Order: sequence, then C-alpha cells, then structure tokens
Amino acid sequence: GQNIDQPTEMTATEGAIVQINCTYQTSGFNGLFWYQQHAGEAPTFLSYNVLDGLEEKGRFSSFLSRSKGYSYLLLKELQMKDSASYLCAVRDPYGGSQGNLIFGKGTKLSVKP
Amino acid sequence: ETGVTQTPRHLVMGMTNKKSLKCEQHLGHNAMYWYKQSAKKPLELMFVYSLEERVENNSVPSRFSPECPNSSHLFLHLHTLQPEDSALYLCASSQDPAGVLDTQYFGPGTRLTVL
Repeated sequence: GQNIDQPTEMTATEGAIVQINCTYQTSGFNGLFWYQQHAGEAPTFLSYNVLDGLEEKGRFSSFLSRSKGYSYLLLKELQMKDSASYLCAVRDPYGGSQGNLIFGKGTKLSVKP
Repeated sequence: ETGVTQTPRHLVMGMTNKKSLKCEQHLGHNAMYWYKQSAKKPLELMFVYSLEERVENNSVPSRFSPECPNSSHLFLHLHTLQPEDSALYLCASSQDPAGVLDTQYFGPGTRLTVL
C-alpha cells in the first residue's frame, strides 16, 4: 500500500526552530517534495529531495533518509507568515503511468508571538 | 505565484447544475493536472494530461469530465454533482511528468460548494 504520515498540527514560537516530520511507505520512490499552503491559497513548492541528506534553502532545510522512509522539513527563525500547512509528497514511479505524487494530509503550523 | 491561474475562485452550484472550472498555465509546461482537496484528506489526483492527451484517470466519477484543448488550458466540466463533491479543486502544471526532477506548480484553486 501507499501511505504518507505527518503530524496534523504543530505550534511554535516566532524566532524559534521547528521540525516537521514525514514518514512514507510506497511501492517505489523517485523523490520527496515539500509544499507550503497558506489558507485559501495554492500550494507552493519548497524543496525536493531524491538523495539522502540535507538540502538547505535559506531558512528552510529538508532532510531525507530513504532507508528509513523518513524526511523532515526544518524551519529556522520562524516568522508569523510561516503559519501555513506543510504538505509532504512522494513521487512513486509505480503509482501511475506518470510517476504521480502521493500527498500526506498536511501539517498545519501555527506560529505564535 | 501567477504562473497557473484558475477561475472561478469560488463556485456554489445545485446538484442539477452544469458548470465548468478553468485553468490556464503561463509556464510553457507540457502537462496539466486536476486535484481534489477535501478537509482533513490528502490531495487526490483526478486527471493528468500530458501533451494534451489524458494519461491518468484515477477512477473519477463520470460526473467530472476534463477537457484539455491545448497545453496551456485545462477545463473540468461538472454536472449532477453531489454534496460530497464540495472541496477545493486545484490545477497544477509541470514540464515533464516522466522526468525525475519534474516539479508541479499549483494554481490557487476553485472552492466548490454543492448544495
């Protein structure tokens, strides 16, 4: 089966660091994506990992361990505007003819002053 | 992100109505997608078009009918919907759905309410 798990909600303080975890079980693996989605808006692409390790992009970093079926998104120096849902998605080459994305339910992050 | 636009942004319709959702991408991509996003559920892929040919249909009810007249435009025609079809309908596009580094870019969505 195919399953993507991430926490439903998290709360953090402005200026702090937060880590959002994602675990996956899929038939195959061809990359993991993180998207940010503000309420009522489009999901926007944040990061992509296909090899193990850490990818850093400004205040955001994403980590992947393929052997553990595990990823996390790390947000540093949190700002109020980071309050949003964070979606984890895996590209499964056996999930469809085009290797479609399988999404988790998303983690709603609330940043408080 | 204005690369992918969707209209209307909000739609309320009765179960006997017929309506259409429109998506347009300005990114020069070759593939377009329709997703359904319901509360507390993962994004669900509905349809994929690559070079204007439908290549994926995840067992979506026939009351949803997609149309892709060219690589920049995608429609979702709706008829005799059910209240459980109320959701956010998202359109996305990407350059090469078979490519390892392919990334999907989303539109803002249409919030659909079926009464």
